[in-house]
Amino acid sequence: DQQVKQNSPSLSVQEGRISILNCDYTNSMFDYFLWYKKYPAEGPTFLISISSIKDKNEDGRFTVFLNKSAKHLSLHIVPSQPGDSAVYFCAASPHSGGSNYKLTFGKGTLLTVNP
Amino acid sequence: NAGVTQTPKFRILKIGQSMTLQCTQDMNHNYMYWYRQDPGMGLKLIYYSVGAGITDKGEVPNGYNVSRSTTEDFPLRLELAAPSQTSVYFCASSLAGSGKTQYFGPGTRLLVL
Repeated sequence: DQQVKQNSPSLSVQEGRISILNCDYTNSMFDYFLWYKKYPAEGPTFLISISSIKDKNEDGRFTVFLNKSAKHLSLHIVPSQPGDSAVYFCAASPHSGGSNYKLTFGKGTLLTVNP
Repeated sequence: NAGVTQTPKFRILKIGQSMTLQCTQDMNHNYMYWYRQDPGMGLKLIYYSVGAGITDKGEVPNGYNVSRSTTEDFPLRLELAAPSQTSVYFCASSLAGSGKTQYFGPGTRLLVL
């Protein structure tokens, strides 16, 4: 039972255009969400996060949008750069309870930004 | 400040052999985690620890053991290696409490033949 779903295994965009990566979740207890970026042969690195009390969080070229009613979040990268080419993982965590530090990860989306 | 370090980077094991994957963090994080990532899959939690002397099972603990004698170190032990344990293993750490952001090491690639 996949609680965090990234339904697009891959995405290809042109340099300078917008990249939109999507993530859906099924567990209503999730209320903190993170995006990680992973290059080949490296560990995932934290990119941006959002709490359920917000519907948008922005950090430079990266913006995460959260739609709680749809249990959907998206990561926008504008403008996309070739160095953004990587696998992007969506992760989620419940706010409270004994497991509020545990993350559940999606399968990832491979983003390729073409020059 | 090296963050999270893992050794070895790559290892080949024969079926039935055992080994320990090392993980050390220098950020004074209380929480530490071991994940495995299989091809085309997300990260699955094997074991985690909320502090020295405290460990608990994650989603896929079978075939593994952990210990946490210090804040800095969180080794993962594989006993009787099996081909199904061929994977990339990531160690991570985070602050206690509301610090949910986990910081990952570079990974150990393990091949069991």
